[in-house]
Amino acid sequence: RKEVEQDPGPFNVPEGATVAFNCTYSNSASQSFFWYRQDCRKEPKLLMSVYSSGNEDGRFTAQLNRASQYISLLIRDSKLSDSATYLCVVNMADNDMRFGAGTRLTVKP
Amino acid sequence: DTGVSQDPRHKITKRGQNVTFRCDPISEHNRLYWYRQTLGQGPEFLTYFQNEAQLEKSRLLSDRFSAERPKGSFSTLEIQRTEQGDSAMYLCASSPVALNEQYFGPGTRLTVT
Repeated sequence: RKEVEQDPGPFNVPEGATVAFNCTYSNSASQSFFWYRQDCRKEPKLLMSVYSSGNEDGRFTAQLNRASQYISLLIRDSKLSDSATYLCVVNMADNDMRFGAGTRLTVKP
Repeated sequence: DTGVSQDPRHKITKRGQNVTFRCDPISEHNRLYWYRQTLGQGPEFLTYFQNEAQLEKSRLLSDRFSAERPKGSFSTLEIQRTEQGDSAMYLCASSPVALNEQYFGPGTRLTVT
């Protein structure tokens, strides 16, 4: 089993749609969790941290389920500019950060 | 620009040559990381420093790879006797010691011919 697994997609959705990505992780002792966004041929950029109680930033909502060892990202009212690859990142232990392979999203007009 | 910078942005080299990349982190960040990313994959951890101390190295980092951060500021990653399988994007990231959020540089794209 991979340490961090994501559905690679691609997800093709129309503008305005709601889309959700899931990510599972293998190490139950993992300490912190993040979602990064990566545009084609660019570096990853931090989208949001994921807190135990769940958190929201505008159209983006992140959830953590420690019991089932997964995190999710929900994007509401998708914009064309949301098209990118979304990387799930898990901090296994003291800065041992593991990235998923990413989920590609394309938002179409 | 106070973000993470990397140099060069692109490097083409012949198999067997040595290459060195540089990373300048955000100035107040104590931690510095190196990753490698190939097409369709997420970044793979290579090594990380806290100040000048190299605290962890991945099993991916063969003897041909070495990294330094001599004064706790910029870092270099050297690959000796490059192989075609070394072709990838090499990413550097930094973070403040109190947080785990990492900020990435633009990467160095290495092509070994």
